[in-house]
Amino acid sequence: QQQVKQSPQSLIVQKGGISIINCAYENTAFDYFPWYQQFPGKGPALLIAIRPDVSEKKEGRFTISFNKSAKQFSLHIMDSQPGDSATYFCAPRKPGAGSYQLTFGKGTKLSVIP
Amino acid sequence: DSGVTQTPKHLITATGQRVTLRCSPRSGDLSVYWYQQSLDQGLQFLIHYYNGEERAKGNILERFSAQQFPDLHSELNLSSLELGDSALYFCASSVGKRYTFGSGTRLTVV
Repeated sequence: QQQVKQSPQSLIVQKGGISIINCAYENTAFDYFPWYQQFPGKGPALLIAIRPDVSEKKEGRFTISFNKSAKQFSLHIMDSQPGDSATYFCAPRKPGAGSYQLTFGKGTKLSVIP
Repeated sequence: DSGVTQTPKHLITATGQRVTLRCSPRSGDLSVYWYQQSLDQGLQFLIHYYNGEERAKGNILERFSAQQFPDLHSELNLSSLELGDSALYFCASSVGKRYTFGSGTRLTVV
């Protein structure tokens, strides 16, 4: 059972354009909704995250939109730059008994072309 | 540098062998999580240790085990290795909600 469905698998965006990546989840126990960015040869790094009581959060060029009723959240990258080319993962967190596990989507490979 | 150190960076070994992956968390972080990243399964949670105690297990095979030592570093032991165990293995340390991942160990089983 795939608890987290991420789309698209890959995305090519022109420099300056908007990149949009979507994540749908099933488990209503998730309590924290982060996006991670991963460059080749590196571990995932936290990009931006949102709590479920907030519908939108913006940090610089990055925005998370959260729709609790639809069980979906998305990452918007404004004014996309070649340096944003990386793989992005949604990874909602499931709390439980002092442990906070992340459930990763399959990832979206973003390529920003000049 | 994320502050989480994983060694070795690369490991090539034969089927049936046993290997140990090491993780040193960020200074002050008591939690260490291990994740496996493979092409077909993506990133999957294996196991979580907090201050030396196992807190949670995920999709970890019985051939795999882990421990966390008094100095808080952790080791992931993989035994009776199979070709399908080839993957990137990440550890992450955390305080509160914030995870910090290391750069991973790439294991190749031949």
